Amino acid sequence: QKEVEQDPGPLSVPEGAIVSLNCTYSNSAFQYFMWYRQYSRKGPELLMYTYSSGNKEDGRFTAQVDKSSKYISLFIRDSQPSDSATYLCAMSAGTGGFKTIFGAGTRLFVKA
Amino acid sequence: EAGVTQFPSHSVIEKGQTVTLRCDPISGHDNLYWYRRVMGKEIKFLLHFVKESKQDESGMPNNRFLAERTGGTYSTLKVQPAELEDSGVYFCASRGTTDTQYFGPGTRLTVL
Repeated sequence: QKEVEQDPGPLSVPEGAIVSLNCTYSNSAFQYFMWYRQYSRKGPELLMYTYSSGNKEDGRFTAQVDKSSKYISLFIRDSQPSDSATYLCAMSAGTGGFKTIFGAGTRLFVKA
Repeated sequence: EAGVTQFPSHSVIEKGQTVTLRCDPISGHDNLYWYRRVMGKEIKFLLHFVKESKQDESGMPNNRFLAERTGGTYSTLKVQPAELEDSGVYFCASRGTTDTQYFGPGTRLTVL
């Protein structure tokens, strides 16, 4: 069983839709939860970062962490064609130098 | 501020040859990470340097891979001899005093 499970998609939505991306994990030691966005032929870019449980909002993006269920989510409101990318969830226990475990990534297409 | 840079962007070699990948972290970042994404799989941790010392090399697949960071600045990852299964995208990331890892654009390695 993988430590982090993420549906690879692809997920296709119309412009303006609310997008929900999710990951589940099995390691209860994870304390740091990240969402990265990766455009084609580019490196991952940190989008959202949450420590422990709770919600975090940044513009059109909201990250949620439910440690009791080992479940994290990223919501994108008013999605735009420029949001089309691969979204990677990532987690770290924070010990041992912040070694990061990634999900497989979900490919998102936002149609104009 | 310059980001993480990686060279080359793409390398095509034949099985049995040697390839050396280079990563230049963000200036002043003591922490440097190597990750790899093979086709269809998630990004996986390879190793972590703190300055010139290997903090964690638990993700290195075998002894054909050698990472160095002489002087604690740039790092190299050498694969010798390369095998077909080594094909993938190799990412480097660096981190300063915060929790955030900044990724480079990656080196796409193709072993024929």
